[in-house]
Amino acid sequence: QQQVKQSPQSLIVQKGGISIINCAYENTAFDYFPWYQQFPGKGPALLIAIRPDVSEKKEGRFTISFNKSAKQFSLHIMDSQPGDSATYFCAANYGGNEKLTFGTGTRLTIIP
Amino acid sequence: DAGVIQSPRHEVTEMGQEVTLRCKPISGHDYLFWYRQTMMRGLELLIYFNNNVPIDDSGMPEDRFSAKMPNASFSTLKIQPSEPRDSAVYFCASSPGRAGITDTQYFGPGTRLTVL
Repeated sequence: QQQVKQSPQSLIVQKGGISIINCAYENTAFDYFPWYQQFPGKGPALLIAIRPDVSEKKEGRFTISFNKSAKQFSLHIMDSQPGDSATYFCAANYGGNEKLTFGTGTRLTIIP
Repeated sequence: DAGVIQSPRHEVTEMGQEVTLRCKPISGHDYLFWYRQTMMRGLELLIYFNNNVPIDDSGMPEDRFSAKMPNASFSTLKIQPSEPRDSAVYFCASSPGRAGITDTQYFGPGTRLTVL
C-alpha cells in the first residue's frame, strides 16, 4: 500500500513535443506528491510538487495533473527540450511525514 | 550554502573491506536521509534522522550496514564487511523539516561505490 507505481520506464520524445509520465498510488492517506528530476552524475532535485486540494499545478513548461478519485498523478512537460533529458521520479507521502515513497523512475530522452 | 556535501565521490574496494561514506547536510536542516540507488531497485531509503536521532532504519538491508549522526553537521554510513551486491550510488539528503509540512529534500551528489 506504500508503493507508487510509475510508467513508462523510459520515454523518447521529439524536441518540441509533450512528455507525459504517469504515477499511481494506493494509500489514500498520501497528501503530498512531488516530482524530482535527476541528471546523470547528480542527485535528484525537486522539480514541482502538488497537494490534493488542487487538480493541476503549473510551473513554466512543467505541469502536474492530479486525479484524486483515480489515485493518479502525472507530469507533463510542454515544448520538451534536449535539456529536459533526465530521469524523473514521482514520490508521495502524508501528514508531514518526512519519509518519501519514490516511484521507480522514468528515463526521458528528448531527440532533435 | 554549498549544499549537501558527500565524500568520497567514488569508492572502489574489495569484498570484505569496511567502507565509510560521509555526509555534511545543509546547515540548519533538521532531517538527514541516506538513500541507495541501483538500476534494479531504484531509489531506496535506508535510514533517516531527525535532530541527529535515527527515526526509521527499516530500509537498512542488514546488520552489515550502520549509520550514525554524532552531530548536526556530520553523518556516516558504514558497510562492514562489504559485498559486491552493495555496489550502488549512495545519496545523502537533508531537509529543513518544518512542523506539519513535508519539506523539499536536498540531495548531495552521491557516492558511487564499487565492491569487487
